[in-house]
Amino acid sequence: KAGVTQTPRYLIKTRGQQVTLSCSPISGHRSVSWYQQTPGQGLQFLFEYFSETQRNKGNFPGRFSGRQFSNSRSEMNVSTLELGDSALYLCASSLYAVSTDTQYFGPGTRLTVL
Amino acid sequence: AQSVTQLDSHVSVSEGTPVLLRCNYSSSYSPSLFWYVQHPNKGLQLLLKYTSAATLVKGINGFEAEFKKSETSFHLTKPSAHMSDAAEYFCVVSDRRMDSSYKLIFGSGTRLLVRP
Repeated sequence: KAGVTQTPRYLIKTRGQQVTLSCSPISGHRSVSWYQQTPGQGLQFLFEYFSETQRNKGNFPGRFSGRQFSNSRSEMNVSTLELGDSALYLCASSLYAVSTDTQYFGPGTRLTVL
Repeated sequence: AQSVTQLDSHVSVSEGTPVLLRCNYSSSYSPSLFWYVQHPNKGLQLLLKYTSAATLVKGINGFEAEFKKSETSFHLTKPSAHMSDAAEYFCVVSDRRMDSSYKLIFGSGTRLLVRP
């Protein structure tokens, strides 16, 4: 079974731009969640999508948004990029629930904001 | 607020000796707890999880952890370290909020070094 895939793997943007990251979950997984990893703040939960609806979310500003499609693929969008948004963005999928299920993580998208 | 504290940012052990990575949490209800490992340039992988079943949880690669509610701890152990165990380890708690939504809270990580 193919693992979680994320595209692109690397991205360079400038302040004020917006960016869209993509995540394809493991086949049959219905929950997709997103995380931000930085040296200063560590790993932080952004949000979780299930059945095309945002079910759970962390404490990030509204500039961070996402969506999920009917095939469970998910996208994350960050608008009006700031230097502090430079991070590794991880996507994970699970069968049903972020609260109890094993999360399978993708390799991440490394975003650099200049 | 709910939180996760990994008590050591770095742990160094000799190959073949026991490993102990410490994790304390705070939660207002019975949480689910996880340990994930991140090897250099590799994705996060689940080692083990506790979801209100047996308090002693066995995971992959010989790791285990014990949920101690009275001590609010979920320490990760392994009897004998292997060189391949060198990685960063994250303790994670599943936090339920008052509106019944959830979020995962990650500890700051413990980097395990294994000396030959």
